[in-house]
Amino acid sequence: AQSVTQPDIHITVSEGASLELRCNYSYGATPYLFWYVQSPGQGLQLLLKYFSGDTLVQGIKGFEAEFKRSQSSFNLRKPSVHWSDAAEYFCAVAPGANNLFFGTGTRLTVIP
Amino acid sequence: DVKVTQSSRYLVKRTGEKVFLECVQDMDHENMFWYRQDPGLGLRLIYFSYDVKMKEKGDIPEGYSVSREKKERFSLILESASTNQTSMYLCASSFGRSPLHFGNGTRLTVT
Repeated sequence: AQSVTQPDIHITVSEGASLELRCNYSYGATPYLFWYVQSPGQGLQLLLKYFSGDTLVQGIKGFEAEFKRSQSSFNLRKPSVHWSDAAEYFCAVAPGANNLFFGTGTRLTVIP
Repeated sequence: DVKVTQSSRYLVKRTGEKVFLECVQDMDHENMFWYRQDPGLGLRLIYFSYDVKMKEKGDIPEGYSVSREKKERFSLILESASTNQTSMYLCASSFGRSPLHFGNGTRLTVT
């Protein structure tokens, strides 16, 4: 079945530490790929997207993600986490037009 | 900047009531979406629309209907609300395969 998997439900990191959030998908062709962030009580905000070209994409707030076709992965990274990064992060995949599938999310806690 | 506005942040309704959730976008986007968000389940697509008066079922359309009479407005309707429809509802819009722009959500409680 087609799916988007975020294997980590909850991650805790110390402020200043590096971060990697995992995302795998199981669609045949290379879909469009996205990472969104949701702060408490808010809607989702786009962090970055991959459509084609360079497999390392830069986003807002110092985040980046790398598309690895061989692993069907699109992991999100940040070299140094800030307390304001505490939120829920969603990976999303658009296999075709007019449709978007989300992972179940990873909640990030940042400790001082 | 794209703005997607959901008319209510919080709603409390009784079982059996007819509920309307309204969403308006101001960027002339062709695509509009309704998702519900539940802990541990992520976002699940209820319905989407790619043009006025057009609608397509998403993954969990049962118990819901939608209306898109104008391009900027996409309404989600719960014909007879039930307690298992207590959830966060998120509206989004997009143009083509561009990223979705989300509203801030409506937290609906059905008692």
